Amino acid sequence: AQSVAQPEDQVNVAEGNPLTVKCTYSVSGNPYLFWYVQYPNRGLQFLLKYITGDNLVKGSYGFEAEFNKSQTSFHLKKPSALVSDSALYFCAVRANQAGTALIFGKGTTLSVSS
Amino acid sequence: DAGVIQSPRHEVTEMGQEVTLRCKPISGHDYLFWYRQTMMRGLELLIYFNNNVPIDDSGMPEDRFSAKMPNASFSTLKIQPSEPRDSAVYFCASSSGTGAGYTFGSGTRLTVV
Repeated sequence: AQSVAQPEDQVNVAEGNPLTVKCTYSVSGNPYLFWYVQYPNRGLQFLLKYITGDNLVKGSYGFEAEFNKSQTSFHLKKPSALVSDSALYFCAVRANQAGTALIFGKGTTLSVSS
Repeated sequence: DAGVIQSPRHEVTEMGQEVTLRCKPISGHDYLFWYRQTMMRGLELLIYFNNNVPIDDSGMPEDRFSAKMPNASFSTLKIQPSEPRDSAVYFCASSSGTGAGYTFGSGTRLTVV
C-alpha cells in the first residue's frame, strides 16, 4: 500500500527566511513523488516532481525538493520565503507501476509573515 | 488550453436529491481522476479512468456514488441520494501518462443541507 505523511499541519516562517515543508512516504518499489500547492478556493497546482535522476529537483516559483531514498523523504524547500508563498502544500506519491494513482498527504499550511 | 473544466463551481442541494458533477479533461490526456477534499480527511481518491475505462473505484465511499466516462472529453460523478456528509469539494484531474503530473480543475463545492 502507498502512503504519504506530512507531519506538520502548519509551518510559520518570516519573509526572507528559508522554509522547509516535510514529507515522508511509503511505497513498494521506486516512487514517483510530487508537490502541489493550493491557494484558497482554487484547485491544486503542480510545483515539481521526482521520477528518476538527480535527487535535487527544482520546480516552479523557486521551490526545490530533495529525494532521500534511505530516509524515504521528499522535503520541499525554498531559500527565501515570500508572503505570497502562503498557501496549502500537498505532497503526493505513487508507485512506479501500472494501475496506481497519486495518493496525497493531508497538507501543510505555510504561513509567511512580513 | 482552458485546462480541466468542472461544473458547477458551487452546488447546494437538499438531502435525498440527486447531484451530478461534471468534468472536461484536457484534450489528449488519457487519465482522469476524481478526488474529494474535506477538512477531516484531506484529499481522497474516489475513482480514476484510463482511456475512458474505470481502473480503480475502491475509493468510492458507497453505492450512492457512481462515475462514468462516456468519451474522452467528458466525465460525471453522481451522488444519489445525497447526504449532508457528502458535503465537500470535489476535484477532477487529468494527466497524460504514468509519470506525468496531474492538472486539476477548480473543483465543485458541494453542500448538502
